[in-house]
Amino acid sequence: TQLLEQSPQFLSIQEGENLTVYCNSSSVFSSLQWYRQEPGEGPVLLVTVVTGGEVKKLKRLTFQFGDARKDSSLHITAAQPGDTGLYLCAGYKAAGNKLTFGGGTRVLVKP
Amino acid sequence: DAMVIQNPRYQVTQFGKPVTLSCSQTLNHNVMYWYQQKSSQAPKLLFHYYDKDFNNEADTPDNFQSRRPNTSFCFLDIRSPGLGDAAMYLCATSRGGGVGYEQYFGPGTRLTVT
Repeated sequence: TQLLEQSPQFLSIQEGENLTVYCNSSSVFSSLQWYRQEPGEGPVLLVTVVTGGEVKKLKRLTFQFGDARKDSSLHITAAQPGDTGLYLCAGYKAAGNKLTFGGGTRVLVKP
Repeated sequence: DAMVIQNPRYQVTQFGKPVTLSCSQTLNHNVMYWYQQKSSQAPKLLFHYYDKDFNNEADTPDNFQSRRPNTSFCFLDIRSPGLGDAAMYLCATSRGGGVGYEQYFGPGTRLTVT
């Protein structure tokens, strides 16, 4: 059973369009991290959200942590081909040393 | 720049021939992780070291072993690679549990088994 469910699994859009990726769980996490992974490379940490209701912006990317710290979303405005990649959410529970990963969302932005 | 380094980036081995993948870090982090990632899937944790303490995941096959001789280096040994072990192997590090926990990944080693 996947503790973190990401949706959609795959998203193909045209350059300039907006997109949202969701990460949902029935568990509470102390923090949640979002990564982007390009083919043949390791995941790169984009952001960590810690506080329920927190919103963080990274240029055209907006990350939100749910009030109950069970879910998160990533919104990309005016997507560009450089945003293409596998987006992974990963939840952290306090006192542990591991992340629980979602299944990933593959995003393809076509020029 | 402080970072997580993996060598080699690409490794080809023969079925049943032992292979070792290496990871080093300049972040001075306490925890080092090894993940296996197959195409378009999320990384799957194999095991991790917190300092010298080894923590194996319950479903990691015995074929996979690890060594951490010092803070900076960690190795993944695959004793008898099978075709199903072909994957991307990712090393990651973190300071340890608590507030501000984050993991940082290396670029990965792509393992091919012939």
